[in-house]
Amino acid sequence: EADIYQTPRYLVIGTGKKITLECSQTMGHDKMYWYQQDPGMELHLIHYSYGVNSTEKGDLSSESTVSRIRTEHFPLTLESARPSHTSQYLCASRPTGTGNTIYFGEGSWLTVV
Amino acid sequence: GENVEQHPSTLSVQEGDSAVIKCTYSDSASNYFPWYKQELGKGPQLIIDIRSNVGEKKDQRIAVTLNKTAKHFSLHITETQPEDSAVYFCAASKPSARQLTFGSGTQLTVLP
Repeated sequence: EADIYQTPRYLVIGTGKKITLECSQTMGHDKMYWYQQDPGMELHLIHYSYGVNSTEKGDLSSESTVSRIRTEHFPLTLESARPSHTSQYLCASRPTGTGNTIYFGEGSWLTVV
Repeated sequence: GENVEQHPSTLSVQEGDSAVIKCTYSDSASNYFPWYKQELGKGPQLIIDIRSNVGEKKDQRIAVTLNKTAKHFSLHITETQPEDSAVYFCAASKPSARQLTFGSGTQLTVLP
């Protein structure tokens, strides 16, 4: 059982608002990821981090930004939300070493109206 | 980079029948192959994984087989139950990779 938590689980906000999706893990994993997923569809990597003060953009271009000031915390921020940002955002983490799986949080469902 | 293809995209089976989902990968250096199950409204959960030093692994009704020569691996679910209905993702990773490469997912529906 993985201990990775995302808040909020569900959020409806207006266009132009700034939002931050929180992600925390208590396993001490150095690698953390954000994926964007439309319901039942492919997982698209938008951001990842290999440790504190390390962040990289993923395969799918995203207008969101991330930060990694503490090992356990990897928040994602949208400065000005738009309807095209409506999606599910999944946070994940992975322990050090090769051949290790990643563990996902329950996801944050964002709807921008 | 690694490329993982997953088939079929949708699969419907009668309760009690078996279900098989197949994935192929492109990088022969990949050595770790997990399978995830994603239920509606939840994040993907690891259900089984296999490493390249074995050809098959079983866990109750779930099994995974790996053919390194052909570069494909499969998920087998026997005696399917309605609660097996979900989206299933395969993935592959090589030792130097910092992330998993996921397949596009299979929506499995088990009909009562």
